[in-house]
Amino acid sequence: QKEVEQNSGPLSVPEGAIASLNCTYSDRVSQSFFWYRQYSGKSPELIMSIYSNGDKEDGRFTAQLNKASQYVSLIIRDSQPSDSATYLCAVRPPGGATNKLIFGTGTLLAVQP
Amino acid sequence: NAGVTQTPKFQVLKTGQSMTLQCAQDMNHNSMYWYRQDPGMGLRLIYYSASEGTTDKGEVPNGYNVSRLNKREFSLRLESAAPSQTSVYFCASTRGNTEAFFGQGTRLTVV
Repeated sequence: QKEVEQNSGPLSVPEGAIASLNCTYSDRVSQSFFWYRQYSGKSPELIMSIYSNGDKEDGRFTAQLNKASQYVSLIIRDSQPSDSATYLCAVRPPGGATNKLIFGTGTLLAVQP
Repeated sequence: NAGVTQTPKFQVLKTGQSMTLQCAQDMNHNSMYWYRQDPGMGLRLIYYSASEGTTDKGEVPNGYNVSRLNKREFSLRLESAAPSQTSVYFCASTRGNTEAFFGQGTRLTVV
């Protein structure tokens, strides 16, 4: 089992719709979770970080964490064509700052105008 | 602030040649990482350094060596390049338990 798993997509949604991206992780006691957006040919850039169970909202983006079920989601409301990118989920396993940061394979999101 | 700076941006090597990828950060971060990214594979961790003076293997360390020269700099060396090492390489750094900041990437082709 991979440490961090994502559906590779592509996930295609019409402009203005809600896009829901999911990520599962294997280590139950992982501590911190991140969503990155990566445009083709560019570096990953941070969208959201979440450290405790529940929802965290930032503008059109909401991160949801459920440690009991070992998944973290990213919800994008009012999707725009500029949101079309690969979304990477990252998890920091136990050990906190001294440990590695593991990424999933990413989900390609395509927002259709 | 420059953030995380990688050099070079592009490189073509012949099989068997060696090279070092340089990475420097000016954010006073303790931890630094080297990842490679191949189509459909996401970011795979090669090596990381939790603090100055320490390095640890990641998922795909074979064929690579690293040096944490000081707190700012973390280099990745390919001693004898192979076509399987053709990839995009990213350096990243973090402070504590927070998010990683990435360099602009190095696109390496081994022919």
